Amino acid sequence: DTAVSQTPKYLVTQMGNDKSIKCEQNLGHDTMYWYKQDSKKFLKIMFSYNNKELIINETVPNRFSPKSPDKAHLNLHINSLELGDSAVYFCASSQGGGWKNNEQFFGPGTRLTVL
Amino acid sequence: DQQVKQNSPSLSVQEGRISILNCDYTNSMFDYFLWYKKYPAEGPTFLISISSIKDKNEDGRFTVFLNKSAKHLSLHIVPSQPGDSAVYFCAASENSGGGADGLTFGKGTHLIIQP
Repeated sequence: DTAVSQTPKYLVTQMGNDKSIKCEQNLGHDTMYWYKQDSKKFLKIMFSYNNKELIINETVPNRFSPKSPDKAHLNLHINSLELGDSAVYFCASSQGGGWKNNEQFFGPGTRLTVL
Repeated sequence: DQQVKQNSPSLSVQEGRISILNCDYTNSMFDYFLWYKKYPAEGPTFLISISSIKDKNEDGRFTVFLNKSAKHLSLHIVPSQPGDSAVYFCAASENSGGGADGLTFGKGTHLIIQP
């Protein structure tokens, strides 16, 4: 059973389009995250959600909006895609409470290419 | 501004020998450190962690050492096996009592185990 799954795995689209990436976790975790791995290979936090509340938002453009319909899902919507949005996006989850938040389980990633 | 630095992009080690991966950090507020392992086309997988109240944590073939005064940690793998070939990310967080923090990652070190 896949613990954290993302769809699609690959996404190729034109500049200016709006797209979504879906994430689901079946671990019963309280917190979910989105990370971006850019061309320089840095993994950087974008958002985290705890009990359907946004906890952090690391200076991400407002074209990016996370949406959590329930505790098991955190989808990423991106409006007006730009060339610089091309990257691999990883979803992750963790169990709430102290140190355990650090042991995050990652999905396989979605490689977004904007042409 | 890289708060977590892995200065070796790659490391080649013979099978059976010890692999030592290094990581330096600059943020003195970090109090929890982790190592993640990543295979191509997969998400990072949690490997081992250490809190700032310890200087060593061991799990089977993997040992993490923390030197707070030097702001340095290292991962030792002994003996190294072919399946250990992967990219290893060092990560850190300011847990501060258990909030849903994102992790700050280094750029990763590609470990290659030679037969």
